[in-house]
Amino acid sequence: GAGVSQSPSNKVTEKGKDVELRCDPISGHTALYWYRQRLGQGLEFLIYFQGNSAPDKSGLPSDRFSAERTGESVSTLTIQRTQQEDSAVYLCASSLVGGVYEQYFGPGTRLTVT
Amino acid sequence: AQKITQTQPGMFVQEKEAVTLDCTYDTSDQSYGLFWYKQPSSGEMIFLIYQGSYDEQNATEGRYSLNFQKARKSANLVISASQLGDSAMYFCAMREDFGNEKLTFGTGTRLTIIP
Repeated sequence: GAGVSQSPSNKVTEKGKDVELRCDPISGHTALYWYRQRLGQGLEFLIYFQGNSAPDKSGLPSDRFSAERTGESVSTLTIQRTQQEDSAVYLCASSLVGGVYEQYFGPGTRLTVT
Repeated sequence: AQKITQTQPGMFVQEKEAVTLDCTYDTSDQSYGLFWYKQPSSGEMIFLIYQGSYDEQNATEGRYSLNFQKARKSANLVISASQLGDSAMYFCAMREDFGNEKLTFGTGTRLTIIP
């Protein structure tokens, strides 16, 4: 079956511009996550959606970052007024909910802010 | 304090040998889960193995096994009979408090298998 998809795969933007990153989770997965991976580092949690519950935004690094998800479908991560330190790979994952269920990751969007 | 610590930034192992990748964790929760993911140079994150805090047996998945020592708070990944395709970054991750499903990742270990 189809895995998690993300678009675009690569995005180059100028400092100060806004960007939108898209994630299509696996059908039926109620949980969706966004992570950021800076070059050579581990993944940092950004935000978590579970069904219609209020999202856990505790990992968002600043108010320039926001994300939306409609129901159990597509999610968009928006970064306003991008800065060079926002350059990273942004990974989306989805899962069923419950202790033993692993997260399935998309291929990521590589964001470069020039 | 780091929640997940991977102390080996890089490892080189001869093909067909076994390798152990270290992971220690820090949590005050009684119920938590530990995961290992593989990230090849292509960038995708591939789930390898899961260990629940209440699982009495060490998890195994094919050539992967997890050496879970709860009292020491360690969850080392063991890869038996290493193959060239095992060359990748390996990340240990923890999920605490099953009311919140987010994962906390370590900084990873880059494993290189030498032919």
